[in-house]
Amino acid sequence: DQQVKQNSPSLSVQEGRISILNCDYTNSMFDYFLWYKKYPAEGPTFLISISSIKDKNEDGRFTVFLNKSAKHLSLHIVPSQPGDSAVYFCAASLNNAGNMLTFGGGTRLMVKP
Amino acid sequence: SQTIHQWPATLVQPVGSPLSLECTVEGTSNPNLYWYRQAAGRGLQLLFYSVGIGQISSEVPQNLSASRPQDRQFILSSKKLLLSDSGFYLCAWSLGQGDGYTFGSGTRLTVV
Repeated sequence: DQQVKQNSPSLSVQEGRISILNCDYTNSMFDYFLWYKKYPAEGPTFLISISSIKDKNEDGRFTVFLNKSAKHLSLHIVPSQPGDSAVYFCAASLNNAGNMLTFGGGTRLMVKP
Repeated sequence: SQTIHQWPATLVQPVGSPLSLECTVEGTSNPNLYWYRQAAGRGLQLLFYSVGIGQISSEVPQNLSASRPQDRQFILSSKKLLLSDSGFYLCAWSLGQGDGYTFGSGTRLTVV
């Protein structure tokens, strides 16, 4: 049973436009959510996170939105740049489970110049 | 500062051969350590995690095993590799205090 799902395996966006990556989860007990970015042949790197007590967190061009009632989070990248092309993983954790992260399947973002 | 080292970067092994991938962390003590695998076109699958020396939890029955002989050393092994073991293996660490993971650079394993 996949507790964290990224239903779009890929997304193509024009440079300068907004990229919106979506993630859904099933476990209402998750209390911390993260986004990771992964380039080919490299390990994922942390991008941005949000606690379940918030509904928005912004860091430069990156904003994560959390809708707890819908069990949905999204990552917005504005403006998108070609260097943003990568695979993006969302992850969720349970504070009382040693902060074990459960990852989604990833979305490949391609930003066209 | 904390760093994580994972090697080798790439590995081609024949079916039935043994495997040993090593991961070490520097600059921290008693980290939680993790082994993940990313199969082609798939997401990140947790294979093993460890909260201390000699403590290993397996998430998925595998042809693989893990060991933690020292506080900051995590080893992924197999006695006999299968074709299905091919993939991108990632080691990660965390302090388990609400922070995220820091990943190593990964090992691309191809079983032929």
